[in-house]
Amino acid sequence: KAGVTQTPRYLIKTRGQQVTLSCSPISGHRSVSWYQQTPGQGLQFLFEYFSETQRNKGNFPGRFSGRQFSNSRSEMNVSTLELGDSALYLCASSLAAVSYNSPLHFGNGTRLTVT
Amino acid sequence: SQQGEEDPQALSIQEGENATMNCSYKTSINNLQWYRQNSGRGLVHLILIRSNEREKHSGRLRVTLDTSKKSSSLLITASRAADTASYFCATDAPANAGGTSYGKLTFGQGTILTVHP
Repeated sequence: KAGVTQTPRYLIKTRGQQVTLSCSPISGHRSVSWYQQTPGQGLQFLFEYFSETQRNKGNFPGRFSGRQFSNSRSEMNVSTLELGDSALYLCASSLAAVSYNSPLHFGNGTRLTVT
Repeated sequence: SQQGEEDPQALSIQEGENATMNCSYKTSINNLQWYRQNSGRGLVHLILIRSNEREKHSGRLRVTLDTSKKSSSLLITASRAADTASYFCATDAPANAGGTSYGKLTFGQGTILTVHP
């Protein structure tokens, strides 16, 4: 079974631009979560989607948004990029309808650099 | 903010030795999970221990959980050079009483483990 696939692997953008990152979960997984990883803040939860509905959201500004499609694929968008948005963005999928006692399966991430 | 605090921040050992990493957290949890991350890659799930469990084994991994102290430890026995990675504990805490976290895990800052051949 294929793992979680994230595209693109690397991205370089300029301040003020917007970016869209894509995530394809493991087949059969309906929950998709997004995390931001930086050296200073570590791993921080962005949001989670299940059956096209956002069920949970972390403490990030409204410039960060996401969506999930009917095939469970997910995208996240960051508008008006800032230098501090440079990070590794990780997508994870989960099998269970709820996250209780269900581990996350992570993709290899998208490395975003904002210049 | 990070719920999990990990100790030590870095650990350097020789192949064949055991490695122990500790994690403390602040709130009640549904479960605690350990993940490994190789440099610049995604996280790999290692083991999940439920809040009503005290110890769990998986191959060379042994995890303990003490909910009264809000702490957990990960022991890797007979370490190999391939175990070199960052290790993170993550807590799955209910968003509300009796509820789920809806995909939100709260990660510690991680322990960087280096195993020398």
